Amino acid sequence: SQTIHQWPATLVQPVGSPLSLECTVEGTSNPNLYWYRQAAGRGLQLLFYSVGIGQISSEVPQNLSASRPQDRQFILSSKKLLLSDSGFYLCAWTGPGPDTVGQYFGPGTRLTVT
Amino acid sequence: AQTVTQSQPEMSVQEAETVTLSCTYDTSESNYYLFWYKQPPSRQMILVIRQEAYKQQNATENRFSVNFQKAAKSFSLKISDSQLGDTAMYFCAFGRSGGGADGLTFGKGTHLIIQP
Repeated sequence: SQTIHQWPATLVQPVGSPLSLECTVEGTSNPNLYWYRQAAGRGLQLLFYSVGIGQISSEVPQNLSASRPQDRQFILSSKKLLLSDSGFYLCAWTGPGPDTVGQYFGPGTRLTVT
Repeated sequence: AQTVTQSQPEMSVQEAETVTLSCTYDTSESNYYLFWYKQPPSRQMILVIRQEAYKQQNATENRFSVNFQKAAKSFSLKISDSQLGDTAMYFCAFGRSGGGADGLTFGKGTHLIIQP
């Protein structure tokens, strides 16, 4: 069966510091991968998605970036964090292909920027 | 662009009752998918049920069922025989068909509280 991992689970970082969040998927090949952010009391906002190694699409302009160095690895980064980057970050995957037939989410990372 | 609206920020019902959560959406697409996700206090997002827009039959998963009205762009979730473990945030989501797997659009959620 497929599993998705995210780490760290919780992170507290000062403003201006770098960020690296990692997501890995097991038990599948060539998944579509996604990064979402959930602000307090709100729904999920899609940040990035990737349909293959090195292929990244950005939905929201911001100081965050994403990379996919391996088939089942998706990384969310920032060179300098802002207070507004605080939130709950969720990674998700779905099977390969053009249809979003249901995404499966990791446990999330709670990021607090101080 | 698609939009998803959940007009009920919070609902509270007694255990064993039936509850219906509302969702409307707006799209110009003809083929798409709709989803309900559950987010308990652990914040893990769990896929509850999925509906394909080209299917007229409403999806059902055990105690969870949907009422899909394509012309009205409405997609409500009914939970029968509600249980304490159903307490969670519920999110309605839209996904394009053939859209290159470009992600889901979520509503803002409904906080469902099941009272003992």
